[in-house]
Amino acid sequence: NAGVTQTPKFQVLKTGQSMTLQCAQDMNHNSMYWYRQDPGMGLRLIYYSASEGTTDKGEVPNGYNVSRLNKREFSLRLESAAPSQTSVYFCASKILRGGLGNQPQHFGDGTRLSIL
Amino acid sequence: KNEVEQSPQNLTAQEGEFITINCSYSVGISALHWLQQHPGGGIVSLFMLSSGKKKHGRLIATINIQEKHSSLHITASHPRDSAVYICASGGYNKLIFGAGTRLAVHP
Repeated sequence: NAGVTQTPKFQVLKTGQSMTLQCAQDMNHNSMYWYRQDPGMGLRLIYYSASEGTTDKGEVPNGYNVSRLNKREFSLRLESAAPSQTSVYFCASKILRGGLGNQPQHFGDGTRLSIL
Repeated sequence: KNEVEQSPQNLTAQEGEFITINCSYSVGISALHWLQQHPGGGIVSLFMLSSGKKKHGRLIATINIQEKHSSLHITASHPRDSAVYICASGGYNKLIFGAGTRLAVHP
């Protein structure tokens, strides 16, 4: 079972370059999330998609864009990378369906991104 | 604004010791989550609870809704328990995460 798959695992960019982080889940989950994790801080929500066709800003959306391509895939784009975006990025998914109650999120292995 | 505070930030234990990690949150929540982040970076969900206590193997999670406080206990700790333990609180759609507690268990 693949679960949540993130690509790439590592990436080094120069300031001003753009790139897209990919995330795909095979669990038929409807909600997907992008977080960043910085030393000494908790995971912070960048964007989320409660269901296919919708996206919403989280706590730290500036400098990022997202696309919910279909139910499986949720990508995160850095249009003009800045050193402050050096971080570890995690994608997560969960099922969100009435009657099931709250469910845990499932995380990918993370993408370690360095901006020089 | 919901804030999540964990203590301690770092914890060192000898194998076999009983370990407690604490988590406090500031607003009412749908559920409190405990997660484990392995040294390799992967994050897995350990518990999700909205009341009382849950147990899985040597791990026990408790929550006091009135005091907005949760604890994660590890009985008979083992070096393989070494990891970062993260609590998170929130509703159905979004979570607020604590900064994590780094646990090192030595043989």
